[in-house]
Amino acid sequence: GQQLNQSPQSMFIQEGEDVSMNCTSSSIFNTWLWYKQDPGEGPVLLIALYKAGELTSNGRLTAQFGITRKDSFLNISASIPSDVGIYFCAGLLRGSQGNLIFGKGTKLSVKP
Amino acid sequence: DGGITQSPKYLFRKEGQNVTLSCEQNLNHDAMYWYRQDPGQGLRLIYYSQRVNDFQKGEIAEGYSVSREKKESFPLTVTSAQKNPTAFYLCASSIRTGPYNEQFFGPGTRLTVL
Repeated sequence: GQQLNQSPQSMFIQEGEDVSMNCTSSSIFNTWLWYKQDPGEGPVLLIALYKAGELTSNGRLTAQFGITRKDSFLNISASIPSDVGIYFCAGLLRGSQGNLIFGKGTKLSVKP
Repeated sequence: DGGITQSPKYLFRKEGQNVTLSCEQNLNHDAMYWYRQDPGQGLRLIYYSQRVNDFQKGEIAEGYSVSREKKESFPLTVTSAQKNPTAFYLCASSIRTGPYNEQFFGPGTRLTVL
C-alpha cells in the first residue's frame, strides 16, 4: 500500500527548544492532518491543511502543506513538558475516496 | 457533550473467543472507521463505513467483522480467526469520506488475549 515516511522516529526535547518533524511521500496528497497521541489515549487532531503551500498555526504549533503536495511539516516552538507524546501525520491521496494514510509517528520525550 | 465513546477501555479474553468492541458517536457523522495500533507502527485501517448498512474492508480486515445498523454505532468483532488480536483498537468518525476528511478518534480499547 501507499507509504508515508515520517521522521524523525523519535526525539528528545529540552524545555524551551523548538522541534521540527516531517512527512514525505512519492505520491500527491489533497489533505494533510497532524495528530497528537498521549499514552493509552486516542489521537487528537491538531492541525488540518488543504492547500499546497498553506501554513497554519495552532498556538505554538505550525504546520505547512508542502508546495509539491508530497510532504508536510510540523514545528513546535518553545516546547514544554506536556508536548511529550507521539505525533502522527495523516494524508488523503489525490483522487482517494477518503481513507487516510498514517505515518508511523514521531515520539517526543523529555531529555534526561 | 459531543464525541466518540469506546467501551470497554481494557478487555481481556481467552484465545479462541470472539469479542465485540463498542464504538458510539453523537457527532452526526456519516463515516466511521476502525483502526488497529501496534507498538511502533502507524494506524492500520481494519474496516470503514460511509453510511448505515454499508461497510468496506480496509488494509487488515481478515479475522474481523463489523456492522452498521445505526448511524451512531459501529461495533467491531474480533473473531477467533484473527491470529494476533492483542492490540490497541481505535474507532474514528468523520462528517463524510472524501476531501476534508477530518477524522476524530475515540479513547481506544486495549484488547489482550490470554
